[in-house]
Amino acid sequence: DAKTTQPPSMDCAEGRAANLPCNHSTISGNEYVYWYRQIHSQGPQYIIHGLKNNETNEMASLIITEDRKSSTLILPHATLRDTAVYYCIVRVAPLNTDKLIFGTGTRLQVFP
Amino acid sequence: DTGVSQDPRHKITKRGQNVTFRCDPISEHNRLYWYRQTLGQGPEFLTYFQNEAQLEKSRLLSDRFSAERPKGSFSTLEIQRTEQGDSAMYLCASSSGTFSYEQYFGPGTRLTVT
Repeated sequence: DAKTTQPPSMDCAEGRAANLPCNHSTISGNEYVYWYRQIHSQGPQYIIHGLKNNETNEMASLIITEDRKSSTLILPHATLRDTAVYYCIVRVAPLNTDKLIFGTGTRLQVFP
Repeated sequence: DTGVSQDPRHKITKRGQNVTFRCDPISEHNRLYWYRQTLGQGPEFLTYFQNEAQLEKSRLLSDRFSAERPKGSFSTLEIQRTEQGDSAMYLCASSSGTFSYEQYFGPGTRLTVT
């Protein structure tokens, strides 16, 4: 699985968009980009995933560059409850196990 | 609440003691995972079950660790002769399907070895 690079921390004002970048320059053609987040003292929570097209769901939007070497997770209107560690994970569609390989993520602090 | 439960939520034990954790996945999920998370780090994969079969184990899972999933339902993770380095959050997750993009995590069991 390709390695990802994320900034260790970011701040965002409540109500503003939070844009969390992820670099995955060694991504292969069959590897997906996943985002999970972990709120303090809870287990990780799935947010969104994509292969090459931009994706949107009720939680966030995922923008993947055309060369697929980087992506951005967008929380359109951040709230205090979005304060968490956000993990960008790249993995191929599994044949057997689909274990997740987490890095250290980006700690997003949303302030009032 | 994701539907995945773990018990106990907290465990304090003395070095050298054995501990056992339980995970109850979402009932229709046939895949179950254990991860370990230390302070400031992301979760690390330990082992994976499909139904009752343990299909993959990480090198992190030393011979003091054993996991089971009898009848393909709940799972237990046992640590024998605990060491201070075993202090961590132990997370369980479950998923379904031949390719699942979403793993549902439990709240974790925090182990402190004194």
